[in-house]
Amino acid sequence: AQSVTQLDSHVSVSEGTPVLLRCNYSSSYSPSLFWYVQHPNKGLQLLLKYTSAATLVKGINGFEAEFKKSETSFHLTKPSAHMSDAAEYFCVVISEGGLSNTGKLIFGQGTTLQVKP
Amino acid sequence: DGGITQSPKYLFRKEGQNVTLSCEQNLNHDAMYWYRQDPGQGLRLIYYSQIVNDFQKGDIAEGYSVSREKKESFPLTVTSAQKNPTAFYLCASSMEQRPLHHNYGYTFGSGTRLTVV
Repeated sequence: AQSVTQLDSHVSVSEGTPVLLRCNYSSSYSPSLFWYVQHPNKGLQLLLKYTSAATLVKGINGFEAEFKKSETSFHLTKPSAHMSDAAEYFCVVISEGGLSNTGKLIFGQGTTLQVKP
Repeated sequence: DGGITQSPKYLFRKEGQNVTLSCEQNLNHDAMYWYRQDPGQGLRLIYYSQIVNDFQKGDIAEGYSVSREKKESFPLTVTSAQKNPTAFYLCASSMEQRPLHHNYGYTFGSGTRLTVV
């Protein structure tokens, strides 16, 4: 069964410093992985996705993530944090393998990013 | 513009009452999903539907019911059997039923916050 683990429930950085949000996955198949962002009381917005093409994926708002199969990781990074990046971030894997499991998103527990001025 | 509309944004329910959350999409997506979000737990799948007049239970379906009479609509009823309904509910849709295409195109609504009073 597929699963994702976000290693930090809360990350705090200063504005202008790098961001690292960590995610490890477990999958029997070649996974499809996503990062979503959620601002308070809002829906989820897709930041980026990995679907077995390039291992370094670039997303919106300057975020990127690198798929590392040997480490089963898909960490999200950004070189310089902005105040508007403060939000909750979810690492997500697609459930695959059989009709009953097609296309379902499996969410990590979420990481709250705080950006200090 | 195409998208998903959830209504109402905020909903209050008395104990013992059933309430229905609306989710409408004009994206011509085949699949629709309901997720429940609780602090520190990510999103958990309640029900999903891959085609009209068909739906499947997700991981936490007890105390909930759905219908899919039209492609555009996937309402969720929170019944009195749901013992802890206070949560943020997110509806989503996607255009692919099968994972092999790796082009899910998930879109999320802006959510409904349900509070039991």
